[in-house]
Amino acid sequence: DIVMTQSPDSLAVSLGERATINCKSSQSVLYRSNTKNYLAWFQQKAGQPPRLLIYWASTRASGVPDRFSGSGSGTNFTLTISSLQAEDVAVYYCQQYYNTPRTFGQGTKVEIK
Amino acid sequence: QVQLQESGPGLVKPSQTLSLTCTVSGDSISSDSYYWSWVRQPAGKGLEWIGRVYIGGNTNYSPSLESRVTLSVDTSKNQFSLKVTSVTAADTAVYYCARETIPSGYFDYWGQGTLVTVSS
Repeated sequence: DIVMTQSPDSLAVSLGERATINCKSSQSVLYRSNTKNYLAWFQQKAGQPPRLLIYWASTRASGVPDRFSGSGSGTNFTLTISSLQAEDVAVYYCQQYYNTPRTFGQGTKVEIK
Repeated sequence: QVQLQESGPGLVKPSQTLSLTCTVSGDSISSDSYYWSWVRQPAGKGLEWIGRVYIGGNTNYSPSLESRVTLSVDTSKNQFSLKVTSVTAADTAVYYCARETIPSGYFDYWGQGTLVTVSS
């Protein structure tokens, strides 16, 4: 199984400031034949299901604000919230879809400082 | 607009079988463009992939659950189902159904989730 490890486990950021979450996979999720990274990011607010934010490591899903961006390749990835808003308080998960079993990071809780 | 809705008993006794159904609206479950998946989340914990089923009947399961899990599809009702046998308290969780795109592989739509508690 590919193990996904996120850091930090939690972070508190002031409104309008940048939030950065890291995700590392135990093996590369880059498929060389199409140069795509099989990595997604999800946002989960309290009492709600996960919401797809980013796929292919850097493509925003429909309706996702452009303050959310994803980067990275191979085994190291980053989710950045460029200017934190109150509605961004949530737990964020990375997930690989390179192979089965699908695996998720342990989650990063983002709060307002 | 695609919607997924989980349904089933909220309480299951230890050693019995957990059975859940996911009803899909706004899309045909017979489409060859998707896998239909289950993910669970114990209270206060992270997300765990359970498995997925394809319209052709192909399935993939988490190795940790494979011996106890069965997924199936009912095209006449536009539903897919999850069964977990010999449940214990460790199976207590919110269970989500989700749609996985083919050939991409990411989950684009999720149900709201249903809490299943294993207790006598």
